[in-house]
Amino acid sequence: KAGVTQTPRYLIKTRGQQVTLSCSPISGHRSVSWYQQTPGQGLQFLFEYFSETQRNKGNFPGRFSGRQFSNSRSEMNVSTLELGDSALYLCASSLAAGVLNEQFFGPGTRLTVL
Amino acid sequence: AQSVTQLDSQVPVFEEAPVELRCNYSSSVSVYLFWYVQYPNQGLQLLLKYLSGSTLVKGINGFEAEFNKSQTSFHLRKPSVHISDTAEYFCAVSEDDYKLSFGAGTTVTVRA
Repeated sequence: KAGVTQTPRYLIKTRGQQVTLSCSPISGHRSVSWYQQTPGQGLQFLFEYFSETQRNKGNFPGRFSGRQFSNSRSEMNVSTLELGDSALYLCASSLAAGVLNEQFFGPGTRLTVL
Repeated sequence: AQSVTQLDSQVPVFEEAPVELRCNYSSSVSVYLFWYVQYPNQGLQLLLKYLSGSTLVKGINGFEAEFNKSQTSFHLRKPSVHISDTAEYFCAVSEDDYKLSFGAGTTVTVRA
């Protein structure tokens, strides 16, 4: 069974641009969560989607948004990029919503903002 | 609000020696506790979790953790480490089944 895939793996953008990251969950998984990992702030929860609905959102500005499609694939978008948005963005999928369902993580997308 | 403190940022250890990674949390309610491992250039992998019941939890790769409610701790142990255990380890807590709050991580370096 294929794992969680994230594309692209690496991305370089400049300040002010916007970016879209993609996550394909494990087949049959309906929940997708996104996390931001930085050396300074560590791992922080961004949002969770289940059945195309945002179930929960972390403490991030409105520049960070996401969506989930009917096939459970998810995208997250960051608009008006800032230097501080440079991070590893991790996606995790699970069979159902909630952290009690084991989350399987993808390898991440490393975003560099210049 | 919940928070997680991993007391050691780096733990060097010799191969076949035991290792303990310390994790303390603060929360006013009952919590669910997790340990994840992140190998270089990879995502996170669940090692073990405590939801309820026995306070000693066994996970994959020979790891175990003990939940201590009075000390609000969830320390991770392995009796004998291998070179392949070199990785970063994260303790995480959830109060509400909605999201995980992670500690800052502990880098374990296993030396021959």
